[in-house]
Amino acid sequence: SSELTQVPAVSVALGQTVRITCQGDSLRDSYASWYQQQPGQAPVLVIYGENSRPSGIPDRFSGSISGNTASLTITGAQAEDEADYYCNSRNDSSANLVLFGGGTKLTVL
Amino acid sequence: QLQLQESGSRLVKPSQTLSLTCTVSGGSFGSGGYSWTWIRQPPGKGLEWIGYIYHSGRIFYNPSLKSRVTMSMDKSKNQFSLRLSSVTAADTAVYYCARGVSMSLLTLPFDFWGQGTLVTVSS
Repeated sequence: SSELTQVPAVSVALGQTVRITCQGDSLRDSYASWYQQQPGQAPVLVIYGENSRPSGIPDRFSGSISGNTASLTITGAQAEDEADYYCNSRNDSSANLVLFGGGTKLTVL
Repeated sequence: QLQLQESGSRLVKPSQTLSLTCTVSGGSFGSGGYSWTWIRQPPGKGLEWIGYIYHSGRIFYNPSLKSRVTMSMDKSKNQFSLRLSSVTAADTAVYYCARGVSMSLLTLPFDFWGQGTLVTVSS
């Protein structure tokens, strides 16, 4: 089906590692990109391609994919990582179309 | 540094047409390999892709909005635009313009975003 599914909310203790997942058939043939959105701000790209980070994104952010599930891992979560995270990919039924996941609210305890 | 800035009507009456323009500054608008994109986010909800336009003029729309959406580009002004017709309250959202990097058919990341503009549909 042409959709991306994310768990609505995840929590992590400060300094620990957390994985946020994104599931969908389109991920069998394409990579996910990941975005961080702080309240009241525009999303920021944090991971794209196989596992690439734009300039300025800390290396505690990493991405991976297995089967139809993409994951964003934050190793050593910081307080400033508390935000909403969205995945996106090309649509599996038409690569010219775009999908977004529903978003995951990350709470850092 | 590339910058994108949305402008246009912030309050639209039901059944009328929403019009927004995105002005791109700092480079790359004249280059190929990018998809100039509109994305929206209803209050308290997730992101929804609306569509994008390539520098070549090719356009792709979200099938769920296709019947009401028109996108265009003015290369001389480094701008691209969105028109959404027959709006209802469900179209109330923050509208973002963004640049998509068409690296391959395997991925389409959006690396630069405008700050977003809240458009409210209300009589």
